[in-house]
Amino acid sequence: NAGVTQTPKFQVLKTGQSMTLQCAQDMNHNSMYWYRQDPGMGLRLIYYSASEGTTDKGEVPNGYNVSRLNKREFSLRLESAAPSQTSVYFCASSGGGNTEAFFGQGTRLTVV
Amino acid sequence: QKEVEQDPGPLSVPEGAIVSLNCTYSNSAFQYFMWYRQYSRKGPELLMYTYSSGNKEDGRFTAQVDKSSKYISLFIRDSQPSDSATYLCAMSGGGSYIPTFGRGTSLIVHP
Repeated sequence: NAGVTQTPKFQVLKTGQSMTLQCAQDMNHNSMYWYRQDPGMGLRLIYYSASEGTTDKGEVPNGYNVSRLNKREFSLRLESAAPSQTSVYFCASSGGGNTEAFFGQGTRLTVV
Repeated sequence: QKEVEQDPGPLSVPEGAIVSLNCTYSNSAFQYFMWYRQYSRKGPELLMYTYSSGNKEDGRFTAQVDKSSKYISLFIRDSQPSDSATYLCAMSGGGSYIPTFGRGTSLIVHP
C-alpha cells in the first residue's frame, strides 16, 4: 500500500521557471492538502481540496495554483518560481471530517 | 499568537528517560488531537490520534488531553535513540476539519 506518493523528490529551479508538483493517494480519501515546511515555521497550508472538484486557499496561497485532477490526484503548480518558494513541500490526504491526515515523503525544492 | 503553540526545543535526554512533549492551544472548539513524528528529511507520520479529553496509550507512548487547560501532552517512556525526531502536534474541530499544526519539537535521545 503506497499511501501518498509525491513526485519529484528533489528539484532545482531558476527564478521565473514554472513547474508542477504531483501528488497521488491510493486510500480513497476525499480530502487532500498541500503544505510547505520551512525552518522555524512549521507546516503551513497552501491549498486544500475537500473533495473532487473543489479547491480552497489556505494560509499561504500566493504564487501557487492547484488542480484536483480526480479523487486520487492533487497537483501544485508554481507559475513563476521565486527564491522565497524554496521549501519542502508536503502533500497529505484524509478521509474527510475530522480524520487524521497522512503525508507523502515531500518534495525538496530550491529556487536559485 | 498562533492558534497552536509548541516549544521548538531541542530537547535532549539520555536513553531510558521519560520524555514529555507539550502543546497549548487557544481555540476551545478543537476536539481532535494528533501527534506526528517526523524523522529528518522524511514526511510526518501519525503516532497518536485522540478525541476530546483523556488519555490514550500505545506501547511506550501516551497521549493526554486536558481541554479545560487547552493543553495536550505526549509522553514517551523508556526513550530510545531511534525516538530522535521532530514531534508535531495537530488539532482540528469546531467546524473546521483541517488540522492546525504546531511548529514541532526537536527531540534528541543520546545513548
